[in-house]
Amino acid sequence: GAVVSQHPSWVICKSGTSVKIECRSLDFQATTMFWYRQFPKQSLMLMATSNEGSKATYEQGVEKDKFLINHASLTLSTLTVTSAHPEDSSFYICSARVSPGQLNEKLFFGSGTQLSVL
Amino acid sequence: QKEVEQNSGPLSVPEGAIASLNCTYSDRGSQSFFWYRQYSGKSPELIMFIYSNGDKEDGRFTAQLNKASQYVSLLIRDSQPSDSATYLCAVEGNTGKLIFGQGTTLQVKP
Repeated sequence: GAVVSQHPSWVICKSGTSVKIECRSLDFQATTMFWYRQFPKQSLMLMATSNEGSKATYEQGVEKDKFLINHASLTLSTLTVTSAHPEDSSFYICSARVSPGQLNEKLFFGSGTQLSVL
Repeated sequence: QKEVEQNSGPLSVPEGAIASLNCTYSDRGSQSFFWYRQYSGKSPELIMFIYSNGDKEDGRFTAQLNKASQYVSLLIRDSQPSDSATYLCAVEGNTGKLIFGQGTTLQVKP
């Protein structure tokens, strides 16, 4: 299947700093990428939908100025957590859809990033 | 009411038994249903998807869908210790986005 590479796998940072997470589709072009957040023993919560070349669409309750998403190319999307605080500590996962309009069976997940904010 | 509900478990079954995982959803217009497996600290892995009422079998896994009852289940036959994981039910809404349940933790005991 298609491979989605996500880096870093884990990151520890001080409160108030910014953290960038990268998500790359290695062998396909991903016109749409999704960013999820997962707290321990909870479900994946969709944060935003990112379409190449356009502004991301954020879910209700997600601060777009705090979670900056850039999808400048068909193979790369980034999520920047700005001025991170301990409550932002979570498991962040990206996923990419192979092409627009494809069913979600063609959705591939990155390996996830565990963010710990001290 | 949550959009997608699962019993968090843990569900414990002996090795070789059938594990039955259940999921209900609230949006009657949902068309696509997915089961993912997630190991601790890892990202989800797609196991099955089902669109039509009835059963769909793939190896040891069978997905069952009943749209009238808004119910989808996953059966795992001949459960193995390596099947121990959290199983996430996901439903595709009319926006095309996946809505996930909180997951059911399965423990298969040798």
